[in-house]
Amino acid sequence: AQTVTQSQPEMSVQEAETVTLSCTYDTSENNYYLFWYKQPPSRQMILVIRQEAYKQQNATENRFSVNFQKAAKSFSLKISDSQLGDTAMYFCAFMKRSGTYKYIFGTGTRLKVLA
Amino acid sequence: DGGITQSPKYLFRKEGQNVTLSCEQNLNHDAMYWYRQDPGQGLRLIYYSQIVNDFQKGDIAEGYSVSREKKESFPLTVTSAQKNPTAFYLCASYGGRSNATNEKLFFGSGTQLSVL
Repeated sequence: AQTVTQSQPEMSVQEAETVTLSCTYDTSENNYYLFWYKQPPSRQMILVIRQEAYKQQNATENRFSVNFQKAAKSFSLKISDSQLGDTAMYFCAFMKRSGTYKYIFGTGTRLKVLA
Repeated sequence: DGGITQSPKYLFRKEGQNVTLSCEQNLNHDAMYWYRQDPGQGLRLIYYSQIVNDFQKGDIAEGYSVSREKKESFPLTVTSAQKNPTAFYLCASYGGRSNATNEKLFFGSGTQLSVL
């Protein structure tokens, strides 16, 4: 069974600074997808970034980038030039690339961006 | 507009009562999911369905039931056996493994269930 662990329940960062959120996962699969989702106070879930495990290159979306370490089963999210609108819960998620569509999430990290 | 509609937004359950949360999608997605979110907690998978008339238990299925009689609909029933049902419930759908959707889940706006 797959598990996703986020060890940082809460974090804060000054506006314009950089912050890194951690995520580790456990799986025996070789091909899978990893995701970071954002949940602002509105509670609407928003996909931030996606990584395919068979691609060595780390995904980047504007100010958001990941550090994907497949051997270590680590998938951290770096937010550069943090903005007040980045204040939210951030969830790491996992899905296998074939077979079941089971999609599992970590426990989340609450990020607060300080003015 | 295509999307997922959850209703009601707020729901109150009396002790011993079964309640049903509605989830409808017009995205033509094959897969649908139900997650439970407790305050300040992550999303825990209750049930998911990859195709009509088929569904699988997630990690916390006890006290819940689902049906998938139509592609568009995946209602969740919180039964009286669920002793601590107060939580925020999110429904989601997934269109399948194609580049068009980047494997992302499409979420509804959620239902807050409370016990009277």
